[in-house]
Amino acid sequence: DAGVTQSPTHLIKTRGQQVTLRCSPKSGHDTVSWYQQALGQGPQFIFQYYEEEERQRGNFPDRFSGHQFPNYSSELNVNALLLGDSALYLCASSSPSGGFLAFFGQGTRLTVV
Amino acid sequence: DAKTTQPPSMDCAEGRAANLPCNHSTISGNEYVYWYRQIHSQGPQYIIHGLKNNETNEMASLIITEDRKSSTLILPHATLRDTAVYYCIVRVYLLNNDMRFGAGTRLTVKP
Repeated sequence: DAGVTQSPTHLIKTRGQQVTLRCSPKSGHDTVSWYQQALGQGPQFIFQYYEEEERQRGNFPDRFSGHQFPNYSSELNVNALLLGDSALYLCASSSPSGGFLAFFGQGTRLTVV
Repeated sequence: DAKTTQPPSMDCAEGRAANLPCNHSTISGNEYVYWYRQIHSQGPQYIIHGLKNNETNEMASLIITEDRKSSTLILPHATLRDTAVYYCIVRVYLLNNDMRFGAGTRLTVKP
């Protein structure tokens, strides 16, 4: 059983560009949450998708947007990249049958130069 | 969700038990205690969770005080591979809300 998979594992972007990160949830999971983790800090909640809609959102600007597909996979889009967007981006999936226990992927390391 | 307080760092000798404390004095009656760990630059890994009774699984034991204001994660025989940042999180069970991570405890297991 594949766990949560994220792609790419690393990428480098230039300030002002746009980036798309991808996440495939654990089999049987229908909810995907995204987190940003700056160096030396704990993960911070960005938003959560369920039934292809954004259900919850953390304190992140509109430059951060997302999408969930019918197969429950998800994308995180960040526009107008800033140097401060450099971080590890984590995807977590969960399901009601699992008590909404969150399982995390290995993350995408984004570096903005 | 209730706020948690953890020591920033701890050391443990290899083979000994690692006891990681967490304070959650404002925990509500319907909030569970969850523990995750994050090995360098990997995604957080679920360890264990509980409400009020002590819990044990193949990875660790969780001891929650009777008043539920604090808990301790116990790794019975720490190995070098247990070196990681450990996060204590309180969250309402069966409610699909976000995980509120603090800074965690950096556990270093030494030979």
